[in-house]
Amino acid sequence: ILNVEQSPQSLHVQEGDSTNFTCSFPSSNFYALHWYRWETAKSPEALFVMTLNGDEKKKGRISATLNTKEGYSYLYIKGSQPEDSATYLCATNTNAGKSTFGDGTTLTVKP
Amino acid sequence: EAQVTQNPRYLITVTGKKLTVTCSQNMNHEYMSWYRQDPGLGLRQIYYSMNVEVTDKGDVPEGYKVSRKEKRNFPLILESPSPNQTSLYFCASSLQKGSNQPQHFGDGTRLSIL
Repeated sequence: ILNVEQSPQSLHVQEGDSTNFTCSFPSSNFYALHWYRWETAKSPEALFVMTLNGDEKKKGRISATLNTKEGYSYLYIKGSQPEDSATYLCATNTNAGKSTFGDGTTLTVKP
Repeated sequence: EAQVTQNPRYLITVTGKKLTVTCSQNMNHEYMSWYRQDPGLGLRQIYYSMNVEVTDKGDVPEGYKVSRKEKRNFPLILESPSPNQTSLYFCASSLQKGSNQPQHFGDGTRLSIL
């Protein structure tokens, strides 16, 4: 993996479904992995920052895990609600300050 | 209120006419960064700054300049804008370097270069 890649590109689920998406990144020179939530016509908002292999973070119905050895992170949403509809971005940072974002996963939750 | 403020929010201009997008943060953050977002793509880093008078190129710096003369301000300068710089631009800041600190984003500036 040379860049930050996110899959799937888009996802449509029904209200109440649980879902997850993937962020893959180069495991060399890894320093931190960020997840952001980006709603239409707004600016991205930080969800989680993870730095250690095996890290797990949780905020309400949303949680994330990190595997730095194999270079991936999962974002889980339990019991999706229409207000969860947004684009979810992941980004890696080097210690030198450079940020690389994936192209995002756009989630649409139908009532 | 802690915030990152960008101006203008929208601008339509013509090729070759110099423009500056201002970015200011009131959180005493050391790290600031500029990104552009194009349809179907994520955020691509243009320039970043780890402190006053320290700036570095991101992935897409061509056609842009920045300066960091004060901690709170990080303007993005397009000396001779071209249509391929039509994009949505975000300024962001974080406490230190951007590594393990989340970035706070401005509301975005939509630039159209005709």
